[in-house]
Amino acid sequence: NAGVTQTPKFQVLKTGQSMTLQCAQDMNHNSMYWYRQDPGMGLRLIYYSASEGTTDKGEVPNGYNVSRLNKREFSLRLESAAPSQTSVYFCASSRGGISGANVLTFGAGSRLTVL
Amino acid sequence: KQEVTQIPAALSVPEGENLVLNCSFTDSAIYNLQWFRQDPGKGLTSLLLIQSSQREQTSGRLNASLDKSSGRSTLYIAASQPGDSATYLCAASNFGNEKLTFGTGTRLTIIP
Repeated sequence: NAGVTQTPKFQVLKTGQSMTLQCAQDMNHNSMYWYRQDPGMGLRLIYYSASEGTTDKGEVPNGYNVSRLNKREFSLRLESAAPSQTSVYFCASSRGGISGANVLTFGAGSRLTVL
Repeated sequence: KQEVTQIPAALSVPEGENLVLNCSFTDSAIYNLQWFRQDPGKGLTSLLLIQSSQREQTSGRLNASLDKSSGRSTLYIAASQPGDSATYLCAASNFGNEKLTFGTGTRLTIIP
């Protein structure tokens, strides 16, 4: 079972460069999420997609864009990377809806360094 | 705004002991409370999810409780093992997962 797959696992960028983080899930989940994890701050939601064809901002969307390409794939793009975007990025998915039983499945993470 | 706190940030316990990890949240109008495990350099693995109508959930040696009135959840680990060493995070949902607020975690070390 692949679950949630993220690529790349590691990336170093220079300030101003652009890149796209890819995420795919094979669990037929409706909802997908991008988080960033920084020391001492917990995970913070960047963007989410409640269903195919929809995307919404989370807590920290500035400097990012997303695309829900189809039900399986949800990409995160940094148009002009800044050192403040150095972080570990996690993609996650869930069945969706507002049911109380909505378990998140996470990818292994992508460590991004912006110089 | 929901705030989730986990104290202590780190905990070391001898192998075989029972232990409790704490999670506090400020807004009691939650849909569910989730506990996750994170191993170094890895993603998060869901351990237990307690719905707002429940008071506890159990999985093997793990038991999670929820007290909405006091804004607290605990994760009880019985007969700890070195393989339990990891960071444990809790997260409170005030709607769906798009309103999930994470704590910063407790790094647990089980001493053989």
